[in-house]
Amino acid sequence: QLQLQESGPGLVKASETLSLTCTVSGGSVGTTRSFWGWIRQSPGKGLEWIGTIYYTGSAYYNPSLKSRVTISLDKSRNLFSLDLKSVTAADTAVYYCVRPAEFGCGETMCYWGWFDTWGQGTLVSVSS
Amino acid sequence: DIQLTQSPSSLSASVGDTVTITCRASGSVSKYLNWYQQTPGRAPNLLIYLASTLQSGVPSRFSGTGSGTDFTLTIHSLRPEDFATYFCQNSFGGPPTFGGGTKVEIK
Repeated sequence: QLQLQESGPGLVKASETLSLTCTVSGGSVGTTRSFWGWIRQSPGKGLEWIGTIYYTGSAYYNPSLKSRVTISLDKSRNLFSLDLKSVTAADTAVYYCVRPAEFGCGETMCYWGWFDTWGQGTLVSVSS
Repeated sequence: DIQLTQSPSSLSASVGDTVTITCRASGSVSKYLNWYQQTPGRAPNLLIYLASTLQSGVPSRFSGTGSGTDFTLTIHSLRPEDFATYFCQNSFGGPPTFGGGTKVEIK
């Protein structure tokens, strides 16, 4: 059974970089046609998709965060990571790693599928 | 981006009741609409995908209908474990977005 587990600091200073990892068990981030992603949830913004990464390493980001976010794979350690730079208090949220059940991008549009596996979530607070 | 508006934002119901939650999209998403359930302190859990397909392991008292811009999630014969918050999510027509949630509370 696929399981995801987030890890990383629970407190980040404003203007610094938030870095989280998601360790995968019961599956492999390098499996052909596998996809992985991050979603966050805050009282102010609700649930917000951050981005999705394909097993090839190609990543797709929420336009509202694209300039600050990087999602990457580490196939040797079977995990994927999130880096969000220049954080502010607005980035305080519970961060979830997720597995999209389907995903695909054509020339002009992407199909994002549904998120059938979620990590337990990790609260990250941004301090001033 | 597609905006998803859920109604009501909260409702009170009793065990055994049938409740219906609505999700309206700002543009057509065809059948590409999914539903999740979230209990306090837990991650959202997928209930229904592609508007009406029940995720494996989800009880049949949950059902979804709709296409285009208007969708509904119905819970028949509410059980105590169904008191939670429900979210819709689009899979197409722009980046995935979520509705604001509907909290189902015990009357």
